[in-house]
Amino acid sequence: SQTIHQWPATLVQPVGSPLSLECTVEGTSNPNLYWYRQAAGRGLQLLFYSVGIGQISSEVPQNLSASRPQDRQFILSSKKLLLSDSGFYLCAWVRNTEAFFGQGTRLTVV
Amino acid sequence: KQEVTQIPAALSVPEGENLVLNCSFTDSAIYNLQWFRQDPGKGLTSLLLIQSSQREQTSGRLNASLDKSSGRSTLYIAASQPGDSATYLCACGAGGTSYGKLTFGQGTILTVHP
Repeated sequence: SQTIHQWPATLVQPVGSPLSLECTVEGTSNPNLYWYRQAAGRGLQLLFYSVGIGQISSEVPQNLSASRPQDRQFILSSKKLLLSDSGFYLCAWVRNTEAFFGQGTRLTVV
Repeated sequence: KQEVTQIPAALSVPEGENLVLNCSFTDSAIYNLQWFRQDPGKGLTSLLLIQSSQREQTSGRLNASLDKSSGRSTLYIAASQPGDSATYLCACGAGGTSYGKLTFGQGTILTVHP
């Protein structure tokens, strides 16, 4: 069966520190992968998506970047975190037009 | 640009009631519409997926309808239970070069009390 993993589950980072969040998918190949952010008081917003290794599209200008070094691995990064980067980050993939989400990472920038 | 609105923002009902959650969208050219459940601090669980050519989907006590022409979807929950308490999100899926991208509503926070 296909599963999606995200880690870490929670993270507290100081302003200006780097960030790396990882998402991996099992049981499938060449999935479309997506990073969403859910900020307090706001809905889920698509940040990045990838249709294959090394192929990244950004949806909104921001302090974050994404990479896809392997077929089933999607990484969200930042060189220097801002307070506004705090939120709940969710990775997703699409199978037969249906989207499935990981358990998310709660990021608090202090 | 697609905009998705969910009404009501919050709903509190006694156990056993049938209830309806509403979702509206501005661009009828959707590829599909998906309903999710989110428990506090958790990821999203897919409940129902309706393709653009379909009118409704059912799973157990859940029934979702889609009316593309009016830009509306409803999620019907029958015989609600305390375990149904969660945030319910609807999301419109795009097709073509935007395949898989979802635009979410703000969600409806449902509380079912015993």
